[in-house]
Amino acid sequence: GAGVSQSPSNKVTEKGKDVELRCDPISGHTALYWYRQSLGQGLEFLIYFQGNSAPDKSGLPSDRFSAERTGGSVSTLTIQRTQQEDSAVYLCASSPRDEQYFGPGTRLTVT
Amino acid sequence: AQSVTQPDIHITVSEGASLELRCNYSYGATPYLFWYVQSPGQGLQLLLKYFSGDTLVQGIKGFEAEFKRSQSSFNLRKPSVHWSDAAEYFCAVKPPGAGSYQLTFGKGTKLSVIP
Repeated sequence: GAGVSQSPSNKVTEKGKDVELRCDPISGHTALYWYRQSLGQGLEFLIYFQGNSAPDKSGLPSDRFSAERTGGSVSTLTIQRTQQEDSAVYLCASSPRDEQYFGPGTRLTVT
Repeated sequence: AQSVTQPDIHITVSEGASLELRCNYSYGATPYLFWYVQSPGQGLQLLLKYFSGDTLVQGIKGFEAEFKRSQSSFNLRKPSVHWSDAAEYFCAVKPPGAGSYQLTFGKGTKLSVIP
């Protein structure tokens, strides 16, 4: 079956611009996660959605970061006023229960 | 809070040789344990998982891992490495049971394979 998909695969943006990253989870998975992977920082948890519950936003690094999940399926991670330190690979994962399945990621480069 | 240590940043092995990647965790109880593999430019692929029961678990691509409670370890092994196994490997833990959802990852071990 189809795995987790993410778009775009690569995004280059200028400092100060806003970007939107999209994640399509595996059908039927109720949980969805966003992570950031950068050199020297490893994998950082950003945000977690579970069904219709309020998301856990405890990992978002600043108020420039936000995410939403529409209809319990597709999710969008938005970064406003991008900074160079936002350059990283953003990974999305979905989960039916305990194990997480990852998408290929979006590589964001802020110039 | 749980933590995961992968003491080897980079390992090089010859094709056909055996492989063991180390993972130690710190947590009050036995967590759920995972190994993921990430090839260059790709996302993370789940290799295997341990929740309970038999401490030797089999995964995909010929990998296995052994949970040792006394050592708080979950080492990944493969008897004969193939060139296609060159990638980065991540160990991860999650508190057991419903309501606990955050994965904590190790820093990763990069595996290079010499032909």
